[in-house]
Amino acid sequence: SYELTQPPSVSVSPGQTARITCSGDALPTQYAYWYQQKPGQAPVVVICKDSERPSGIPERFSGSSSGTIVTLTISGVQAEDEADYYCQSADNSGTDWVFGGGTKLTVL
Amino acid sequence: QVQLVESGGGLVKPGGSLKLSCAASGFTFSDYYMNWIRQAPGKGLEWVSYISSSGNTIYYADSVKGRFTVSRDNAKNSLYLQMNSLRAEDTAVYYCARESSGFDFWGQGTLVTVSS
Repeated sequence: SYELTQPPSVSVSPGQTARITCSGDALPTQYAYWYQQKPGQAPVVVICKDSERPSGIPERFSGSSSGTIVTLTISGVQAEDEADYYCQSADNSGTDWVFGGGTKLTVL
Repeated sequence: QVQLVESGGGLVKPGGSLKLSCAASGFTFSDYYMNWIRQAPGKGLEWVSYISSSGNTIYYADSVKGRFTVSRDNAKNSLYLQMNSLRAEDTAVYYCARESSGFDFWGQGTLVTVSS
């Protein structure tokens, strides 16, 4: 079955830039989405279609895509950004939705 | 405002059944694809099932295929997940989520625990 691979953890100091990658063979042909999940809460989409930012999401969140890797970038990280982040996409057939394993972002 | 409220979770024995519901409000339910997504305790997100706006197209994750059935009643603004032959590994919080350029709205989830 199709898999998306993320690093388990990323740590940054406040004000620095955090980059979280997600790799998958179908990413060149399928859009990726990014979700932020804080403890005890439902996930919230922070990036759509590789690089679009939904309304209400701070400008410091951005997304990019290059081949089989998509990247979530958080510029000027704030303490409130500490959360789990998940990438999500579809397999080549477009009939199976898949999440990456998640990345825990720690703000030092 | 958009609201999704899941219900129907609880404790069930292995091999048992449970039916989850998701009540939608604040948007035209019949216009949107809907999904079920679950999260085992302390684990990541796992997509479970998709249903098109009309209900004519349905997909399942391999882990639940043949055991779970998704359905919707657009007249009642409701989404359902019938879960049969439940296993311990089905223990999770189950979320319903609206799909529109990703999963743009989620409910707060309902906990399903499969244990003897």
